[in-house]
Amino acid sequence: DAMVIQNPRYQVTQFGKPVTLSCSQTLNHNVMYWYQQKSSQAPKLLFHYYDKDFNNEADTPDNFQSRRPNTSFCFLDIRSPGLGDAAMYLCATSRGGTGKGYGYTFGSGTRLTVV
Amino acid sequence: DQQVKQNSPSLSVQEGRISILNCDYTNSMFDYFLWYKKYPAEGPTFLISISSIKDKNEDGRFTVFLNKSAKHLSLHIVPSQPGDSAVYFCAASDPTGANNLFFGTGTRLTVIP
Repeated sequence: DAMVIQNPRYQVTQFGKPVTLSCSQTLNHNVMYWYQQKSSQAPKLLFHYYDKDFNNEADTPDNFQSRRPNTSFCFLDIRSPGLGDAAMYLCATSRGGTGKGYGYTFGSGTRLTVV
Repeated sequence: DQQVKQNSPSLSVQEGRISILNCDYTNSMFDYFLWYKKYPAEGPTFLISISSIKDKNEDGRFTVFLNKSAKHLSLHIVPSQPGDSAVYFCAASDPTGANNLFFGTGTRLTVIP
């Protein structure tokens, strides 16, 4: 089945220690997104890749970076995690402009704990 | 600034009755509206969408209504089933080619058997 896979499902990292979350897709969608969701809040878009073009949201902290080495994979790097970065991180894909109305396909998320 | 709002954090409904989940938005440029369903420990899954040029879209037990003048949409589930118990997110698509979605904070629906 075509899908979006996030690894790991749960990640515990130390305060200030760099951490990388990964996302892969078999849908061949050209857009990949990273969202941060904290408890009882709306998912918040951090950035997205439209093909190889990186688009950062204006209020995404510099502490968050992303890489997309190919169509299938996208990584979220948190350079120096703080306690406030503990959240669920959701990866999603879409077909971009031609896929409006079909929504995103989400992965199951990675729950990040910072200790 | 929250462009998509779901003002009811939770809703409880008896099995077999209608569930109505509401959503308001502020940006009149949104061109698609979507509902997602999320179970615990899983990512959101796409449920149903509606184009801004329509006022109703139906898919089985799920119907979405759009009132553009009021900037309001609602999701109706009839009849409600216990398996519908989940968090429902309303989302709106901006008109750029990247299909960025803006999400509401979600409504937790509990269907009581």
